[in-house]
Amino acid sequence: ETGVTQSPTHLIKTRGQQVTLRCSSQSGHNTVSWYQQALGQGPQFIFQYYREEENGRGNFPPRFSGLQFPNYSSELNVNALELDDSALYLCASSSPLEYEQFFGPGTRLTVL
Amino acid sequence: SQQGEEDPQALSIQEGENATMNCSYKTSINNLQWYRQNSGRGLVHLILIRSNEREKHSGRLRVTLDTSKKSSSLLITASRAADTASYFCATGATSGAGSYQLTFGKGTKLSVIP
Repeated sequence: ETGVTQSPTHLIKTRGQQVTLRCSSQSGHNTVSWYQQALGQGPQFIFQYYREEENGRGNFPPRFSGLQFPNYSSELNVNALELDDSALYLCASSSPLEYEQFFGPGTRLTVL
Repeated sequence: SQQGEEDPQALSIQEGENATMNCSYKTSINNLQWYRQNSGRGLVHLILIRSNEREKHSGRLRVTLDTSKKSSSLLITASRAADTASYFCATGATSGAGSYQLTFGKGTKLSVIP
């Protein structure tokens, strides 16, 4: 069974740029959630995708967008990067039958 | 926004001692989960307790839930240096759109000294 993977591991961007983060869900999971974790804080829910549709969103602006593909992998896109977007971005996959979420190792984004 | 708060924010104990972390939350929940995170890496699920359960055990972990007080505690018995990590509680609830969302606290940073 393959776990959740994320790429890239680290990323450095400048303010105003755009970034795409990728996530491959665990085998058998069709739901993917994205979280942002600022330094010293707990993860905050960005949005969730189920069967290629966004079915829930946290308190994040529209410049945070996503996609889910037929193989259930997912992308998180952030436009017009701001300094405060610097954080660890975590992807988690889950099965609709279970509440437990399986997290990837995260992508550390630094915005300069 | 954060759902609740873990207490204490940081905890330092000697190997072999027990560690207790508390979590408070604000809204109705389906369940509450505890996760562990090593050094800013991915989170690992430890245990889930449903809203109709009061106590649950898993190995050296014991979790309690008091829905009347909107609080939970995580007890790690006979701690080991390898337990050094940040521990987060997360409340789960289903949104109107149908998604199941986790809302995390700020975490307790546990240091176990050999």
